[in-house]
Amino acid sequence: KNEVEQSPQNLTAQEGEFITINCSYSVGISALHWLQQHPGGGIVSLFMLSSGKKKHGRLIATINIQEKHSSLHITASHPRDSAVYICAVVLFYGGATNKLIFGTGTLLAVQP
Amino acid sequence: DSGVTQTPKHLITATGQRVTLRCSPRSGDLSVYWYQQSLDQGLQFLIQYYNGEERAKGNILERFSAQQFPDLHSELNLSSLELGDSALYFCASSARANTEAFFGQGTRLTVV
Repeated sequence: KNEVEQSPQNLTAQEGEFITINCSYSVGISALHWLQQHPGGGIVSLFMLSSGKKKHGRLIATINIQEKHSSLHITASHPRDSAVYICAVVLFYGGATNKLIFGTGTLLAVQP
Repeated sequence: DSGVTQTPKHLITATGQRVTLRCSPRSGDLSVYWYQQSLDQGLQFLIQYYNGEERAKGNILERFSAQQFPDLHSELNLSSLELGDSALYFCASSARANTEAFFGQGTRLTVV
């Protein structure tokens, strides 16, 4: 079993729909990243959060540390949101040591 | 633009060869991370450096090595290359451990 599980693996939505991508993890973490990867490969960090909720434009990320679960929501989805969304948890070992463990990603396609 | 620069963007080389991938972190970031993304394995953490010192190791093969120089740029050395080493190699940097990480555009390595 992977330490970080994402669902769904694939998601097709119509433009304007509200989208939710889920991430569950089984390890103790200090924070969680949501990343976006477009075709062509570049990775963009959307959010890093360790508690509660963050909002940036049409994107909202929430995390529940007790339940070991995070969600990424996209409101009023648009075809340019089509990408792979990756959840990554931060394992912090103290001092200056940490590493990321990644989920397998959710491939989102938003159709016009 | 994340501020993290990776060179080269693309690299094609033959089996058995050695290559060096370079990463310049965002100005002032002390922590550098290397990740490998292959089709069958997804994103995997390789190694972390902080202010010139190795801090965390992940699934990095013995044929691979890295270092971070006094000017904080980092190099990932891959030797005795095999076909299976073909992947996207990403570098990320953060100000300190456990702060938001910013990704470079990646180096696409193709081993033929």
